[in-house]
Amino acid sequence: KAGVTQTPRYLIKTRGQQVTLSCSPISGHRSVSWYQQTPGQGLQFLFEYFSETQRNKGNFPGRFSGRQFSNSRSEMNVSTLELGDSALYLCASRKAGVYNEQFFGPGTRLTVL
Amino acid sequence: GIQVEQSPPDLILQEGANSTLRCNFSDSVNNLQWFHQNPWGQLINLFYIPSGTKQNGRLSATTVATERYSLLYISSSQTTDSGVYFCAVVRDYKLSFGAGTTVTVRA
Repeated sequence: KAGVTQTPRYLIKTRGQQVTLSCSPISGHRSVSWYQQTPGQGLQFLFEYFSETQRNKGNFPGRFSGRQFSNSRSEMNVSTLELGDSALYLCASRKAGVYNEQFFGPGTRLTVL
Repeated sequence: GIQVEQSPPDLILQEGANSTLRCNFSDSVNNLQWFHQNPWGQLINLFYIPSGTKQNGRLSATTVATERYSLLYISSSQTTDSGVYFCAVVRDYKLSFGAGTTVTVRA
């Protein structure tokens, strides 16, 4: 069974631009979560989607948004990029059931210049 | 929110040595996972262990949910065990991570 896939793997953007990251969950998994990892703040929860509905959102500004499609694939968007948005963005999926094991993709490394 | 503390922050081992990593959490949790982050950044699942003890090869883990801690044991360490180990707990649909333990295994 294929794992969680994320595209692109690397991105370089400039301040003020926007970016869209994509995540395809493991087949049969309906929950997708996004996390941001930075050296200063560690791993932080962004949001979680289940059946196209956002169930929970972390403490991030409104510039960070996401959505989930009917096939469970998810995208996250960051508008008006800032230098501090440079990070590794990780996507995770799990089967339906809030406490099931989560599996992570390889991540998208975003650099904002 | 829930606080997750990992210790030690850094661990240097000689190949073949055994070690114990600890994860303390501040409130009751529904799930606990241990991950190993590889050099490319991907989080590799080690254990899904809300309670009890599990073993997988040279690695084992124990979670004592009533006392709010989990332990990850690495036995006969190898250089390939190097990397960052994260503990994460589930509350309110999200994983809350500790800051990690950086393990360096020297040949």
